[in-house]
Amino acid sequence: NAGVTQTPKFRVLKTGQSMTLLCAQDMNHEYMYWYRQDPGMGLRLIHYSVGEGTTAKGEVPDGYNVSRLKKQNFLLGLESAAPSQTSVYFCASSFMGTGELFFGEGSRLTVL
Amino acid sequence: GIQVEQSPPDLILQEGANSTLRCNFSDSVNNLQWFHQNPWGQLINLFYIPSGTKQNGRLSATTVATERYSLLYISSSQTTDSGVYFCAGGFSGGYNKLIFGAGTRLAVHP
Repeated sequence: NAGVTQTPKFRVLKTGQSMTLLCAQDMNHEYMYWYRQDPGMGLRLIHYSVGEGTTAKGEVPDGYNVSRLKKQNFLLGLESAAPSQTSVYFCASSFMGTGELFFGEGSRLTVL
Repeated sequence: GIQVEQSPPDLILQEGANSTLRCNFSDSVNNLQWFHQNPWGQLINLFYIPSGTKQNGRLSATTVATERYSLLYISSSQTTDSGVYFCAGGFSGGYNKLIFGAGTRLAVHP
């Protein structure tokens, strides 16, 4: 049982490059989330989805786009990476109505 | 805006000691969770506890929603308890959108 899987685990980009982070969950969860974690801080919500085909903005959405074409997958895109987007990104999922959150292992992104 | 505050920010314990971590929130919660981030960065859900008390082994948690706080108790601490503990609250109008505190960093020494 894989739970929540993120790929890639590590990535280094140059300023202005684009990339996509993939999150996959095998728990049939309706809700999926992308968070970022910066040193000494908690997790801040970037975007989330309450079901297939839906997305919504979180606390810090600027510079990111997301898509939820399939229930099990949630993609996070950076169209033009900036050094301020250097962070650890976590995907999470939960059942609708319970809220218990399960996290992936994180993806460490460095933008030079 | 909604605030989730954790205390203390840092805690150092000797193995075998007990501790209490606190989470205060500025508005009524309908969803309160505690997480442990281990030294390798992995986030594990410890408790889903919008109200009342739950226990899991050496860990227990209590949320008093009417007074807007939650407590995480760690008894007989072990070195494997080291890491960062986060609480996160969900608030009316944003169910399942959790707001995280900044965390309590715990170091347990043998």
